[in-house]
Amino acid sequence: ELKVEQNPLFLSMQEGKNYTIYCNYSTTSDRLYWYRQDPGKSLESLFVLLSNGAVKQEGRLMASLDTKARLSTLHITAAVHDLSATYFCAVIGGAQKLVFGQGTRLTINP
Amino acid sequence: DAGITQSPRHKVTETGTPVTLRCHQTENHRYMYWYRQDPGHGLRLIHYSYGVKDTDKGEVSDGYSVSRSKTEDFLLTLESATSSQTSVYFCAISETGVSPLHFGNGTRLTVT
Repeated sequence: ELKVEQNPLFLSMQEGKNYTIYCNYSTTSDRLYWYRQDPGKSLESLFVLLSNGAVKQEGRLMASLDTKARLSTLHITAAVHDLSATYFCAVIGGAQKLVFGQGTRLTINP
Repeated sequence: DAGITQSPRHKVTETGTPVTLRCHQTENHRYMYWYRQDPGHGLRLIHYSYGVKDTDKGEVSDGYSVSRSKTEDFLLTLESATSSQTSVYFCAISETGVSPLHFGNGTRLTVT
């Protein structure tokens, strides 16, 4: 059974600082997704990582994938308040079933 | 935004009553999903559909059934609602099954 674990689950940081969210998964997969959810809102897709060594960047967010380690990271550079949200990683299990991690609630303080 | 509409947006119901949630899409995507979101659990898959009348169970399917009689509509039914089914329910669609999911705005269900 595929398990997806994120850490930390809660992260409070100051504006301007850098930090990384980690996503580990238990079985082989070469496709990993990152989503963002604002409080009380729906989820929106951020990145799809399709192969080992894949790196995607948008603004202050950069995601990478190491399929051998079964690890993806979401790196936040010089955080700003607008990035406060809950971030989810997700991995495809069998039969196109997407399994989500628990989510990381990120709070960025001025 | 992808054309996904969930209804109702909020519902309060009593234990033991049947409840149906509706997901409607205008994107003509083949794959449709129902997830529930609970604190500490992320999103968990209830059921999904890979075509009209083609459905399969997810990891938390007990107590739920689904139907998809047309491409655009995917219904989730709680046959006899229980308090443990109080949750936020999200519908999602995907064009290919591996393309990113597009989510609806969610339905907040409270079972008293």
